[in-house]
Formats: sequence, C-alpha cells, structure tokens
Amino acid sequence: NAGVTQTPKFQVLKTGQSMTLQCAQDMNHEYMSWYRQDPGMGLRLIHYSVGAGITDQGEVPNGYNVSRSTTEDFPLRLLSAAPSQTSVYFCASRPTGLSSTDTQYFGPGTRLTVL
Amino acid sequence: AQTVTQSQPEMSVQEAETVTLSCTYDTSESDYYLFWYKQPPSRQMILVIRQEAYKQQNATENRFSVNFQKAAKSFSLKISDSQLGDAAMYFCAYRTAMEYGNKLVFGAGTILRVKS
Repeated sequence: NAGVTQTPKFQVLKTGQSMTLQCAQDMNHEYMSWYRQDPGMGLRLIHYSVGAGITDQGEVPNGYNVSRSTTEDFPLRLLSAAPSQTSVYFCASRPTGLSSTDTQYFGPGTRLTVL
Repeated sequence: AQTVTQSQPEMSVQEAETVTLSCTYDTSESDYYLFWYKQPPSRQMILVIRQEAYKQQNATENRFSVNFQKAAKSFSLKISDSQLGDAAMYFCAYRTAMEYGNKLVFGAGTILRVKS
C-alpha cells in the first residue's frame, strides 16, 4: 500500500490563479479530510468527507472546494489563490468506525506559497 | 465547539531526562478521544499515543505516557529517557466519539528541543 499520497509536494502560485491539490489513498478508507497548517495555529480542518459523494465544511472552508467522486480520491481546489492561503496542506484518511484505534493516516503534505 | 490549548510554544530537555508537554481542552461532551502527534522536520504526522475518555487508566507507549485528568480537561504527555530523535513539534488533538468521521481539533503545537 502507498498509504495517503499528495501531489504536488511544493507549489508556488500567483494571486488569482487556481489549482488543485491532489490526494489519493489506496486503503479503501471512507473518511478523508483536508487540513492546513499555519505557524502558531496547529492544523485546522478545511473540508472533510465521510464517503464518496458526501462532503462537508470544516473550520476554515472559505476559498476552497472539494469533491469526492471515488473512495480513493479527494482533491482540494483553490478557486482564486490569495496570499492568506499560503500554508502547508495535509490530507488524511481513516477507516470507517467510531473507535479511536482506527488509525488516522496523513499524507506527506503540500507546501503552497501564494505570491 | 471544542478547543485544544497547548500553552508551551517551546520546551527543552537534556538527553536521557524526562519532559512533560501540557495540553488542555474544552468540550461539553463526555465521550471523546485524545491524541498526541509528533511532527519531525520531515513534516510527516506520526501518532504517538491515544487515550479514550471513558478509560480511567492512562495510556502508555514505551517511553511515552499521558496524564489524563478528565475533570480538569487536561492531557499531558510525558517523555521519559529523552532521545535526540524525539526533537520535533508535538500536537495535542481531540476527536469526538459522538459522530462518524475523522475530524480532529488540534492545539497550536509545542516545539521540543533535545540537548545532547
């Protein structure tokens, strides 16, 4: 298993450009989510999904869109990049269930800079 | 909404000694899970230890243990016999047990430096 993969690892955008951060997992996990990490603020939830075709907003959803057409993929779209979206982005997935023993898997992260 | 607070932006420890990282949280729920994650310079998020709120016994994983005080809403991490490889950012995180999904609420993190 490759686990959770994210592409690209690094990206530089100009203000107003759009792009998609890719996230894929090969563990057949139902639950997937996107976080952003900013200095002094920890990781904050952007969007999440509990299964194909089902998505919902997290704590900081503005400026981002998601879709979940397959169990494996959960792309994050920046519609019009702004400098405030400069951050490190993590995708995560977890098997179905309420138990804490269901390990959450994180991708390696994407460092995004918006000029 | 739940919040997680880590009041120590940075901590230092001498190699082979013990250090405790603090975490407090706020919730009105009675059933939840708490986690400590380690983030080394590679940026990878690594689960260190987890605690179920319904369990009174504190979780331990080798050199890592927690002091879970449910009434005080406190969840500290103790690292014994600190090693150079323990140097990293440590995040405390909360997850509700009341719904499905994998929504984690994180603290701001504590940078741990280990001196040789």
